[in-house]
Amino acid sequence: GAGVSQSPRYKVAKRGQDVALRCDPISGHVSLFWYQQALGQGPEFLTYFQNEAQLDKSGLPSDRFFAERPEGSVSTLKIQRTQQEDSAVYLCASSILPLQGVSNTEAFFGQGTRLTVV
Amino acid sequence: AQSVSQHNHHVILSEAASLELGCNYSYGGTVNLFWYVQYPGQHLQLLLKYFSGDPLVKGIKGFEAEFIKSKFSFNLRKPSVQWSDTAEYFCASRNTDKLIFGTGTRLQVFP
Repeated sequence: GAGVSQSPRYKVAKRGQDVALRCDPISGHVSLFWYQQALGQGPEFLTYFQNEAQLDKSGLPSDRFFAERPEGSVSTLKIQRTQQEDSAVYLCASSILPLQGVSNTEAFFGQGTRLTVV
Repeated sequence: AQSVSQHNHHVILSEAASLELGCNYSYGGTVNLFWYVQYPGQHLQLLLKYFSGDPLVKGIKGFEAEFIKSKFSFNLRKPSVQWSDTAEYFCASRNTDKLIFGTGTRLQVFP
């Protein structure tokens, strides 16, 4: 597609419910990132994939958070047993090449999924 | 840990006023720096980026930023803002394979 697509745009979950957020990166993009953006804050890094390999998951806040990209394209961020502090906008981004070591590579962002846990 | 600081949280200007948004980064090695903009209801878009070379970087929509290594700064500037520049602005630094963002500056421009 023309850009990074995320679905759903909005998700309301009851506390304790599991949720799955989907990201369709730009076709052919090697790198995929997930970020969490709380209200009034900047995006916080969660995890990074290069093709199907999850190379960095240092930002995942707990073992309730799990991400996968099994075929190196679409990615899913799963949050188990959601809690109120999980309420945020979850952003996905992709880049054609890894950001490290290559100049003029930029990350393109989707519109995000706004998760509200009630 | 590498960090990015944006000290202006909310800026209010009238149209045609000049703009400067501050950004400081903590990493002392090779830096790649970015400014992203998020218009209301839209996704983050790249305004400009610095990798090397000329420290004065020109971006889209008349924005520019100056990399000052001695001050660890990468401030965003525009000589004359428009109402359509109302948005949230994020400074970011590359740390290995990922971007580290500041907390953002909300800019409101009144006609």
